[in-house]
Amino acid sequence: DAGITQSPRHKVTETGTPVTLRCHQTENHRYMYWYRQDPGHGLRLIHYSYGVKDTDKGEVSDGYSVSRSKTEDFLLTLESATSSQTSVYFCASGVGGTDTQYFGPGTRLTVL
Amino acid sequence: QQQVKQSPQSLIVQKGGISIINCAYENTAFDYFPWYQQFPGKGPALLIAIRPDVSEKKEGRFTISFNKSAKQFSLHIMDSQPGDSATYFCAASKGKAAGNKLTFGGGTRVLVKP
Repeated sequence: DAGITQSPRHKVTETGTPVTLRCHQTENHRYMYWYRQDPGHGLRLIHYSYGVKDTDKGEVSDGYSVSRSKTEDFLLTLESATSSQTSVYFCASGVGGTDTQYFGPGTRLTVL
Repeated sequence: QQQVKQSPQSLIVQKGGISIINCAYENTAFDYFPWYQQFPGKGPALLIAIRPDVSEKKEGRFTISFNKSAKQFSLHIMDSQPGDSATYFCAASKGKAAGNKLTFGGGTRVLVKP
């Protein structure tokens, strides 16, 4: 398994509070991705990064921002959490030369 | 608008039987079609993948069938085992030029009964 970790693994927060989720990979992969997983929707791409400080929006980016200051770290921030952002969040990374993405274990976020 | 549609949402199969999951896509720019397997509490993991220049790919008990003209592809799990019980996701990508972004189907929960 690719070395991808996510923190925290579980978080409960209140509506309106800021939340930051962290993804850390030890594979020196160029590409990193944030997805959310909701029943019936599969996984939907929030944001992705194709290099340090290079990021772009995905399918469901509203209400989320990302930052990547180092190859190994990709942060997802909810500036003001809403109940609709209750979900399981997965980070993934990939070499870029191939299409294979390696997923982390996920973070379960509950917004009350 | 869901670009990759997956069916069924769930299926139950007896041990030794065949599990079949179908996916359909709209965008002809997709050129890479992976299947991911996810166990409860874990992240998805790549199971098998195919490109549109071949119609079938087999790896052990898992086979992808691809029909480019119909814009459909399917996963067949032969001789299904209880350890295959998981959620399966099909996906599609437009390749490196589009950041290798994956568009996923909605998932199929497979239960293999012993």
